[in-house]
Amino acid sequence: DIQMTQSPASLSASIGDRVTITCRASQVVGHYVAWYQHKPGIPPKLLIYGASILQVGVPSRFSGSRSGTDFNLTISSLQPEDGATYYCQKYNTAPLSFGGGTKAEIK
Amino acid sequence: EVQLLESGGGLAQPGGSLRLSCVATGFTFNIYAMSWVRQAPGKGLEWVSSISDDGASTYYADSVQGRFIISRDNSKNTLFLQMNSLRAEDTAVYYCAKARDSFFESYNDYWGQGTLVTVSS
Repeated sequence: DIQMTQSPASLSASIGDRVTITCRASQVVGHYVAWYQHKPGIPPKLLIYGASILQVGVPSRFSGSRSGTDFNLTISSLQPEDGATYYCQKYNTAPLSFGGGTKAEIK
Repeated sequence: EVQLLESGGGLAQPGGSLRLSCVATGFTFNIYAMSWVRQAPGKGLEWVSSISDDGASTYYADSVQGRFIISRDNSKNTLFLQMNSLRAEDTAVYYCAKARDSFFESYNDYWGQGTLVTVSS
């Protein structure tokens, strides 16, 4: 099975900082990667799909990119409401694996 | 407005069974694949199972293969997860999620609030 290795496991950054989270797929998954934001007590929220397509309604400070089997989620200017755990997911074929998650803390 | 409402969670004994339901409103249920995703306490998200729009194709994580059964009733806009031979490691919040497409190889654009399953004696 294809593994999605996500890094870092946690980060702490200040308001206005640029933050990048990375997922590396163990095999080719094409552009079939999505990113979700998850806050306690709230369902996960889709941010990015197709590696780089912003979901409708998601602020433009979020962006996604792909280089081969490496996928990045970037927050260009961190905001207080961005404190959450972020997950990548590959969906080219079963199993639809998630990365281990990145917990983003606002300093 | 898309809404997904899970129910059926609760306390079960090891080796026992539970059946989760997810009622969908606000979209044409029978043209989208659906999934179950869980989050164990202190852990990350784990994909559990998916089903195609017509129910003809189903897929499972290795951790639940042979114990869980996903199904749907398109006439009632409802998704199910029959969980048998439950183990302590099945303890988690279970989310129902809508796929963006009719086939399961898709991302999830809407999620329910989740229902808690606790497996303990």
